[in-house]
Amino acid sequence: SQTIHQWPATLVQPVGSPLSLECTVEGTSNPNLYWYRQAAGRGLQLLFYSVGIGQISSEVPQNLSASRPQDRQFILSSKKLLLSDSGFYLCAWGKSTNTGELFFGEGSRLTVL
Amino acid sequence: GEDVEQSLFLSVREGDSSVINCTYTDSSSTYLYWYKQEPGAGLQLLTYIFSNMDMKQDQRLTVLLNKKDKHLSLRIADTQTGDSAIYFCAEKGDYKLSFGAGTTVTVRA
Repeated sequence: SQTIHQWPATLVQPVGSPLSLECTVEGTSNPNLYWYRQAAGRGLQLLFYSVGIGQISSEVPQNLSASRPQDRQFILSSKKLLLSDSGFYLCAWGKSTNTGELFFGEGSRLTVL
Repeated sequence: GEDVEQSLFLSVREGDSSVINCTYTDSSSTYLYWYKQEPGAGLQLLTYIFSNMDMKQDQRLTVLLNKKDKHLSLRIADTQTGDSAIYFCAEKGDYKLSFGAGTTVTVRA
């Protein structure tokens, strides 16, 4: 069966510090990978998606970047965090099938102070 | 374009039925989904429905789709305290899912 892991689960960082959130998927190959952000009381905003190694598409201009160094690894980064980067970050994977459903990790809570 | 809307809150008594509503705008969406998020956790896929279906039932869950009005609903029968969560409606786009803001369901005794 497929599993998805992301870490760290909780992170408190000062403004201006770097960020690295990691996500890995097991039990499948060549998944589509996604980073969503959930701000308090709001829905999910798609930040990045990737259909293959080294292929990253950005949905919104922002202070964040993403990389996919391996088939089942997706990393969300920032060189200098802003207060507005606080939120709940969710990694997800899916396959390019007709049904198109996504499967989510447990999330990473980022608080920027 | 893609825009999914949901009411933000629903309070329901334990044992009653819950109905969560959603509207979407992309008439070309082929699949629509319901996800559940418990506090501090990721999203769990509850069910999905193909756009040529009107209804799908899975145990206590019933999904109704009115494609003409672009309206999707999720009915939870015999609502339990464990059903307290945020429920997200989503529609399938070309390469992603677009989500509503989520409906927070509170089950009271």
